[in-house]
Parts: sequence; structure tokens; C-alpha cells
Amino acid sequence: GQQLNQSPQSMFIQEGEDVSMNCTSSSIFNTWLWYKQDPGEGPVLLIALYKAGELTSNGRLTAQFGITRKDSFLNISASIPSDVGIYFCAGHRNSGNTPLVFGKGTRLSVIA
Amino acid sequence: KAGVTQTPRYLIKTRGQQVTLSCSPISGHRSVSWYQQTPGQGLQFLFEYFSETQRNKGNFPGRFSGRQFSNSRSEMNVSTLELGDSALYLCASSIGDTSSGNTIYFGEGSWLTVV
Repeated sequence: GQQLNQSPQSMFIQEGEDVSMNCTSSSIFNTWLWYKQDPGEGPVLLIALYKAGELTSNGRLTAQFGITRKDSFLNISASIPSDVGIYFCAGHRNSGNTPLVFGKGTRLSVIA
Repeated sequence: KAGVTQTPRYLIKTRGQQVTLSCSPISGHRSVSWYQQTPGQGLQFLFEYFSETQRNKGNFPGRFSGRQFSNSRSEMNVSTLELGDSALYLCASSIGDTSSGNTIYFGEGSWLTVV
């Protein structure tokens, strides 16, 4: 099935740095969701976005629903070692009875 | 409020066998979705059930099946297991069906190894 284009695929950053990742699609989405998955665990919901232009924060995390409704980004400020994991974007397309679509994930490594 | 519960957490099966995985959704949630996760393929949608009816199905062979019970609990079954079926199987629940834009919440997953 269709997947979102999520980038970067992986990133290595120093502790304390800010991180930015994004998801894009050729289709319009009604909802954008961001999840984090720790090794061996299921994905955990970080932020849910429901309106174009919406900017939502959850602690050091900030996500935005793109104005065009075809993209979203997630920022992490002042990264810490426990931010390590895989971050997934997901979205609901604006077309009929379709399931949630996922990006392939961004693997984040934080160097202390 | 208890989260999504999946059992078993880990299991090892032999090629050709069949397996049943169970999922209990968050209380009050009526939709259950199943995903297969492998390192190279990411999260692949298997199927979604809402009010005991299959709402959507991904591109998996007929060996993969599921069902949902009246209490919203769900099971998925894989018959005639193949080595390539080794994966983390994730269950997720939401209040309503996901095509309506409802947020889904994942369980910890069931690790299946086929030998």
C-alpha cells in the first residue's frame, strides 16, 4: 500500500542538539500522527494533528500539520539519550474508507 | 486505563504450523487494526476490524486472517507459516474506525519467530 515519504531515514546527533524530521505525500491528509518506537516495544503516540497549519507541542517535541495538508514535520529540541528510537509519521488520507498510512520511520541515535 | 494488551509476547513456531495472536483493545475502543513490522518493510497494514466486521484489508495472502469478537477483542491467525512470516505483529485500537480519522494506540506487539 501507499507509504508516506519520511526523511531522513536515520540521523546521528550530539546530545543537546535539535532534531528535525518530516513526512511528505502527494495526497491530501486529514490527520497527521507522530509515533516513537523504542527497541522491542510498540509505537507510542507522541502528537496528533487534526487541522492544516496546526502547531502542537508535547514537552520538547513540536509538530506541525502543513498548510498544503500534504506534509508534516516533527522537531525535538535539546535532545537527550532517551530520545533514541524510531520515529514514525502516519496520516489519514482524505479519500473514502482507507486505513492509516505510515512512513518508513526515522531512526534517531543520540551521542552523549 | 489499561492500554492495548497483546498475547503472547514472544513465540517460536516451526514452518508449516499455524499461530493465533490475541489482542485486547483499550476499554471502550471498538476498532482493532493489525500490522506486521519487519526491519526492511516497516509497518505493513494487515487488516482492521470495527464492530466485528472487517473494514479494510492489506496486501497479504489468504494465510493471514483475523476476527473480532463482540467484546471488541481480536485475534489474528497465520496458517502454514513460512520463514518470512517472522516479524513483530502489532495490534492497535481506536474508538472508531480509522478511516474516520480516529487516532490509534498500539500494543507492545507479539514477536513471532518461524524456524
